[in-house]
Amino acid sequence: GDSVTQMEGPVTLSEEAFLTINCTYTATGYPSLFWYVQYPGEGLQLLLKATKADDKGSNKGFEATYRKETTSFHLEKGSVQVSDSAVYFCALSESGGFKTIFGAGTRLFVKA
Amino acid sequence: NAGVMQNPRHLVRRRGQEARLRCSPMKGHSHVYWYRQLPEEGLKFMVYLQKENIIDESGMPKERFSAEFPKEGPSILRIQQVVRGDSAAYFCASSPRQGLDTEAFFGQGTRLTVV
Repeated sequence: GDSVTQMEGPVTLSEEAFLTINCTYTATGYPSLFWYVQYPGEGLQLLLKATKADDKGSNKGFEATYRKETTSFHLEKGSVQVSDSAVYFCALSESGGFKTIFGAGTRLFVKA
Repeated sequence: NAGVMQNPRHLVRRRGQEARLRCSPMKGHSHVYWYRQLPEEGLKFMVYLQKENIIDESGMPKERFSAEFPKEGPSILRIQQVVRGDSAAYFCASSPRQGLDTEAFFGQGTRLTVV
């Protein structure tokens, strides 16, 4: 079945450091790919998405590119802030589907 | 336009009691999804409902769990005779059309603790 694997955390970075959180997926079809962010005590918020191969999703300085050849959707940010501390979830959804598959989440701590 | 509203935010139940979790979708959204997040894990799909209909409940445990989305009022996730293993965060999402890739929004979740 479809699945999402993302790097284990926690990831601890200093402010202004470069961030990469790896995410790979397996899917039978052509899924849409997502990154969600969960701040402490809150629900998930959609951070960015890409719906087809080579699409780049971007938001708030974060970006991720849908790589079909490597089945990856790595999240990157050039300069993290303390306010970016949260749990980040990679996810996929088959076209028209409703069972979004989530990775286990990667906790990010950013130190001032 | 209020977001997806879940209540209560925190719920404590003793083993054997019933837990009722409520989810009011965003205005204009008729599709509701329930997910469960166990500690240190990702979200797992439980059930997908559209007004008055259960579309897919393949992620729901076969016993003790039920969900409804009546014509009027919020969606309810009901857990009967709770056990310690039911302790988790339960998230609800809603969307205007089928699929979480269609502008779905999540609520803040209900954290259930079974003591």
